[in-house]
Amino acid sequence: NAGVTQTPKFQVLKTGQSMTLQCAQDMNHNSMYWYRQDPGMGLRLIYYSASEGTTDKGEVPNGYNVSRLNKREFSLRLESAAPSQTSVYFCASSDQVNQPQHFGDGTRLSIL
Amino acid sequence: AQSVTQLDSQVPVFEEAPVELRCNYSSSVSVYLFWYVQYPNQGLQLLLKYLSGSTLVKGINGFEAEFNKSQTSFHLRKPSVHISDTAEYFCAVSDLYGGATNKLIFGTGTLLAVQP
Repeated sequence: NAGVTQTPKFQVLKTGQSMTLQCAQDMNHNSMYWYRQDPGMGLRLIYYSASEGTTDKGEVPNGYNVSRLNKREFSLRLESAAPSQTSVYFCASSDQVNQPQHFGDGTRLSIL
Repeated sequence: AQSVTQLDSQVPVFEEAPVELRCNYSSSVSVYLFWYVQYPNQGLQLLLKYLSGSTLVKGINGFEAEFNKSQTSFHLRKPSVHISDTAEYFCAVSDLYGGATNKLIFGTGTLLAVQP
């Protein structure tokens, strides 16, 4: 009963390095999301994918790119990491508009 | 535009005492409302949701919340807390007319700290 799986769980990068965060869901959900969580700021939406083949910007998209590889997988890429991107990143998925989102356990990313 | 306000960043409470975590929202349209819980080093889990119908919603772990449209509030309550309830709690709102996606707007969270 995996739900939403994120890899890696932890990562340390140097400024300027690139990295892709992976997310996969096994619930056959249509929509997937990437959030970042910072102390005192709650969760902020980076990008989302309403359905396979579509992606849209959220509240804080700058510095990130995404790929909806197929219905199961939604990756987040940092092309040139900056210290301001140090955060905990959560992937989530949902099926319908009025159904809640299911979250992965997060990726803790530190950029030095 | 929607927004969610959780007025208390931290709520300390003694074990077996009642607790209320406050959530207010602003929206010009009808909304869905959610409470999520986040235990240390974990993702968010759904506690309860309000979609329509009865304004008193019961969730897991003995929590309940009441939707008050006139007050634009969705406060979370539990009559008797346990040490294991120590976690961060997030209120979230979603636009009823959000189209194909359910884009949640989250509050900044309330840390419930249960003391023995």
